[in-house]
Amino acid sequence: QEELVESGGGVVQPGRSLRLSCAASGFTFSSYSMHWVRQAPGKGMEWVAVISFDGMNRYYADSVEGRFTISRDISKNILYLQMNSLRVEDTAEYHCAREGNSDESGYFTLWGQGSLVTVSS
Amino acid sequence: DIQVTQSPSSVSASVGDRVTITCRAAQDISGHLAWYQRKPGKAPKLLIYSASRLQSGVPSRFSGSASATDFTLTISGLQPEDFATYFCQQAESFPLTFGGGTQVEIK
Repeated sequence: QEELVESGGGVVQPGRSLRLSCAASGFTFSSYSMHWVRQAPGKGMEWVAVISFDGMNRYYADSVEGRFTISRDISKNILYLQMNSLRVEDTAEYHCAREGNSDESGYFTLWGQGSLVTVSS
Repeated sequence: DIQVTQSPSSVSASVGDRVTITCRAAQDISGHLAWYQRKPGKAPKLLIYSASRLQSGVPSRFSGSASATDFTLTISGLQPEDFATYFCQQAESFPLTFGGGTQVEIK
């Protein structure tokens, strides 16, 4: 069964750091580009970052560029999101998501349930 | 960034009803739009991609259509398990952007 499970969320003060993890199982992790998508309370979904299947290419939303880093460990089938210099407006539920291949490219074919990050003093 | 405007924000419907949700893209996205379903406490699920292609395993009562920059998700014959939040996403260009979501509630 294909599954993505996020962990690492919690309450953190502004300016501090947090690292999210996303454990993948049931599919060939190294074959897919992976994304982080977040949803702030009462808001719609916001795309955060993507890493290519081979880890060679990464892109970020302007709102997190320079503060967040997406990475992956193929040997462990884990996706990461290192979040530095956190701001109150980064408070959200963070989802990892698998991008489809071929004609499903650009779409999220598998999502995790999410990990809640609250940035508050 | 390509803005995607979704409407309505909520809709009340009964089992068996036909429900229609719309997303409008601010520019041409060449049909690169998906629809997702989200239930409380569950991971979002891809329903439709490329505007009208049904994802494997999704019931055929879900359908998608497109007309220029307007996209529609139709649920024909609403079932109890369909009460959820639905949102769209454009895949034409980065940053990928989403509609605000539509909550389908029980009338």
